[in-house]
Amino acid sequence: QVTLKESGPVLVKPTETLTLTCTVSGFSLSNARMGVSWIRQPPGKALEWLAHIFSNDEKSYSTSLKSRLTISKDTSKSHVVLSMTNMDPVDTATYSCARIHGYTNGYFDYWGQGTLVTVSS
Amino acid sequence: SYELTQPPSVSVSPGQTASITCSGDKLGDKFVSWYQQKPGQSPLVVIYQDRKRPSGIPERFSGSNSGNTATLTISGTQAMDEADYYCQAWDTGTVVFGGGAKLTVL
Repeated sequence: QVTLKESGPVLVKPTETLTLTCTVSGFSLSNARMGVSWIRQPPGKALEWLAHIFSNDEKSYSTSLKSRLTISKDTSKSHVVLSMTNMDPVDTATYSCARIHGYTNGYFDYWGQGTLVTVSS
Repeated sequence: SYELTQPPSVSVSPGQTASITCSGDKLGDKFVSWYQQKPGQSPLVVIYQDRKRPSGIPERFSGSNSGNTATLTISGTQAMDEADYYCQAWDTGTVVFGGGAKLTVL
């Protein structure tokens, strides 16, 4: 059974760095042609893709947020970690991780439940 | 950067056919996936690779993609299909989502 679960702070202050962890089970982060993305959704708004990482450690970032994002993985711990610097109230959103099935033409077949992160002083 | 455009809202009567479009430059050259999201839930893929249905997705969901437009079609729409629908494609190794379309069944 494939599951993904996000963890991290629910509240961060402006200018702080957000670090989120996605813990996966039911598959390995070393599986070929599979990867994990981070996606966020501000309250009442659309999905926004942030970053992904594949089993070969290939990474890609949203063009508009690239300077603030870092994605990494620890295969032994089944963790995918996303860091976002210089948080702002507009970054308040539900942050979710999702498994990519099929490499860079694939689709998101499993999603975590998401974690709501509020940016406020 | 690449953009996908969806109508903000689509309305359909129960039992009728709903069509939700997604537009982008030469979108037909890319694979499109569609996700259904109900309030308080995570998105669920209903169509991938333009027209394939994951196991467990009803046959009333179908997809097509040609030219600059991809379309999600729901035949015999049911009240349970009321949700937000997002299209998604890849562009130069990055993921793009459409702005979402709210399907109302009334």
